[in-house]
Amino acid sequence: KNQVEQSPQSLIILEGKNCTLQCNYTVSPFSNLRWYKQDTGRGPVSLTIMTFSENTKSNGRYTATLDADTKQSSLHITASQLSDSASYICVVSAWASGTYKYIFGTGTRLKVLA
Amino acid sequence: KAGVTQTPRYLIKTRGQQVTLSCSPISGHRSVSWYQQTPGQGLQFLFEYFSETQRNKGNFPGRFSGRQFSNSRSEMNVSTLELGDSALYLCASSLLAYQETQYFGPGTRLLVL
Repeated sequence: KNQVEQSPQSLIILEGKNCTLQCNYTVSPFSNLRWYKQDTGRGPVSLTIMTFSENTKSNGRYTATLDADTKQSSLHITASQLSDSASYICVVSAWASGTYKYIFGTGTRLKVLA
Repeated sequence: KAGVTQTPRYLIKTRGQQVTLSCSPISGHRSVSWYQQTPGQGLQFLFEYFSETQRNKGNFPGRFSGRQFSNSRSEMNVSTLELGDSALYLCASSLLAYQETQYFGPGTRLLVL
């Protein structure tokens, strides 16, 4: 069964600290993996998109890694800021029978405290 | 460049009614996707349109339908509303599709009473 699991469910860190969010998936055949940031009451914003051949992708203080062998991805946030407080959603796409399927994780809710 | 716009932003309906939501993509974007987001189920993919054709469809009942116009604007319709249809409906646009970055609108929050 295609599944995407994210951990932790929620996380509280102090401003300036680093943190890492996890995404494990059992999706086949894998096409790409996306990380989104969603502020409360707003639509998601794309952070990174990675295909099978990409191991690391950065977007400012956000760095995503992908290990296609172990089917794991992580999102590392460096020097956190108050504005990083949001939900982070991992989405894996599978390409099969001429169409895409999107499998969403339930997200990690991050709270950054001053 | 204006972002993705969705109208209305908030909507209250009663069971059995139908509703139409509208999405205007970023200028030049030809692909529009729709998603439903609820606290219990999270984000779920509804369907995707490209050049007025539905290219992909999620696992939702036939009460959920959509269309795309020649100017890439899109509408989604939900008929015979159920309480469980209460959700945030998000629209996202991209230049083409699939491997590209999607840009989301602010969503339409639908409450079914």
